[in-house]
Amino acid sequence: AQSVTQLDSQVPVFEEAPVELRCNYSSSVSVYLFWYVQYPNQGLQLLLKYLSGSTLVKGINGFEAEFNKSQTSFHLRKPSVHISDTAEYFCAVTPYNTNAGKSTFGDGTTLTVKP
Amino acid sequence: GAVVSQHPSWVICKSGTSVKIECRSLDFQATTMFWYRQFPKQSLMLMATSNEGSKATYEQGVEKDKFLINHASLTLSTLTVTSAHPEDSSFYICSARVAPDQPQHFGDGTRLSIL
Repeated sequence: AQSVTQLDSQVPVFEEAPVELRCNYSSSVSVYLFWYVQYPNQGLQLLLKYLSGSTLVKGINGFEAEFNKSQTSFHLRKPSVHISDTAEYFCAVTPYNTNAGKSTFGDGTTLTVKP
Repeated sequence: GAVVSQHPSWVICKSGTSVKIECRSLDFQATTMFWYRQFPKQSLMLMATSNEGSKATYEQGVEKDKFLINHASLTLSTLTVTSAHPEDSSFYICSARVAPDQPQHFGDGTRLSIL
């Protein structure tokens, strides 16, 4: 089984400041890793994904994340946030070839960008 | 990009009625579709996984007779909440995926309110 822990339930930050949203996971098998964003009353949108290769992945809206296998982490970063980045962010993992490839989601991190 | 259309976006109905929610992948064929339920300020709770042409796999604690899922084609899955009651009120989200190493593409969700 897999588990995902998003270490911060809420992250307030001022506009144009950098931000890091932390995600740790545990799994007995290799996993694919994803970050999604959810705006109010909407579904989730993919920000970025890590499948293999370079551990630093870049996504949409200026976000990037780094996969650290030894620390089983996949933290999301943005060097300068905008008001429009205010949303709920979910980290998710999908196991390779097991359990029908069902994804496990973290509990989410609410990012609030203040002017 | 891959688009998933979910309808209706908002439903208000009386207790005891049945409600059908549709989830369509508009520009790709989804081998697997997922149905989630999301409570306010919480993460997504997986209800069931459906593969085209086969019966849905329900998560533990989800009533199969209450939440009927049909995956009629590679582009359409439906969730029917039968004899809905106020405790079924929630935000329901579907997602569609081509393969486990690909991200899930989410619909915009359906807010169901049972009076």
